[in-house]
Amino acid sequence: DVKVTQSSRYLVKRTGEKVFLECVQDMDHENMFWYRQDPGLGLRLIYFSYDVKMKEKGDIPEGYSVSREKKERFSLILESASTNQTSMYLCASSFYRGEETQYFGPGTRLLVL
Amino acid sequence: GDSVTQMEGPVTLSEEAFLTINCTYTATGYPSLFWYVQYPGEGLQLLLKATKADDKGSNKGFEATYRKETTSFHLEKGSVQVSDSAVYFCALSDPGGYQKVTFGTGTKLQVIP
Repeated sequence: DVKVTQSSRYLVKRTGEKVFLECVQDMDHENMFWYRQDPGLGLRLIYFSYDVKMKEKGDIPEGYSVSREKKERFSLILESASTNQTSMYLCASSFYRGEETQYFGPGTRLLVL
Repeated sequence: GDSVTQMEGPVTLSEEAFLTINCTYTATGYPSLFWYVQYPGEGLQLLLKATKADDKGSNKGFEATYRKETTSFHLEKGSVQVSDSAVYFCALSDPGGYQKVTFGTGTKLQVIP
């Protein structure tokens, strides 16, 4: 079975802190994605990566950055957390070609105070 | 750009009732269509998919047919169970590359005994 794990299920941070969210997948997928999920807005794509050291902006990249130093690991960074970044963050991965199904981690619920 | 519109919830049904969750899409190409399900406290998981017009996806008693003429992909189940209570997301995959997926806002289903 494909497994996507996220470093934390729940996080509480203070405004202005630097926050790292980590995602690891064990299926040798090329593509990895970070979404945020908010009530009434569904899932919105923050960033994605189709290869090591490659990244592409999604629909809402402002206030976020990402890092992909190894194929299996994709990190989301909040450089200076703000209260409007309180949300559920979901990581996903997929194969580069052919198989379009995305496999999701359990999510990290982030509260910024 | 691509978009997915699904019926707002929450939807409350009694056990063994018939379920329909409507989904329509807008896309420039010929996308693949998906239904994902999110159980409480978990990430999303693929429920079913269809990759071309008139295809029917099915899984766990759920079905959806890719209707190109009406740009729809409605989810149906003949007899829901309490264990089907979850949030259901309709989605489409951009065929242009990187398997970027556009999600609807989600429909919460609650099934009562």
